[in-house]
Amino acid sequence: DAGVIQSPRHEVTEMGQEVTLRCKPISGHDYLFWYRQTMMRGLELLIYFNNNVPIDDSGMPEDRFSAKMPNASFSTLKIQPSEPRDSAVYFCASSIGTLGEAFFGQGTRLTVV
Amino acid sequence: LAKTTQPISMDSYEGQEVNITCSHNNIATNDYITWYQQFPSQGPRFIIQGYKTKVTNEVASLFIPADRKSSTLSLPRVSLSDTAVYYCLVGDPWVTGGGNKLTFGTGTQLKVEL
Repeated sequence: DAGVIQSPRHEVTEMGQEVTLRCKPISGHDYLFWYRQTMMRGLELLIYFNNNVPIDDSGMPEDRFSAKMPNASFSTLKIQPSEPRDSAVYFCASSIGTLGEAFFGQGTRLTVV
Repeated sequence: LAKTTQPISMDSYEGQEVNITCSHNNIATNDYITWYQQFPSQGPRFIIQGYKTKVTNEVASLFIPADRKSSTLSLPRVSLSDTAVYYCLVGDPWVTGGGNKLTFGTGTQLKVEL
């Protein structure tokens, strides 16, 4: 398996633009997590899904952020409109069940100018 | 969620054993302890997980005392490539999302030198 695949790896966009980050979890994994990492705040859990259903989105910073998981093999994190303070590395992770290893993707480095 | 406290940084030399201790005084009965490693520009990578006593795998050992209020990650004979940030996490796998709804603290920056 290729692991968790995220795209794009890098994204530079202008303030106010819509940004969509994509994630393909490992086949067979029933949990999917979106994290954001910055120097100031470290790794923060934004939202997670179980069997494609959002379970907890309490970490989503504000209404500009939304996430979907239309099927077991694909998830998106959308920011609309984007702001410079959204600049961070966004990680997607997946796991089987609630115990054991969570596998992280390589991340998407987002820069909003 | 149980809060964890780790040293901000540690230095070591190649070939030495490194022990990183994590404090989690308010750990709950169902909480498991998990350690992740993160290299620059990469996502975190699972190292080891345990509930009590000692767990060992091919890369590390995890020591958990009887009161479970702390845990120690032991890396035998570190090399330069072990330079990374190490995170200690505590969570209940039986809560929806469970142990993998992980709260990452600031982690411990381990620097290994020649």
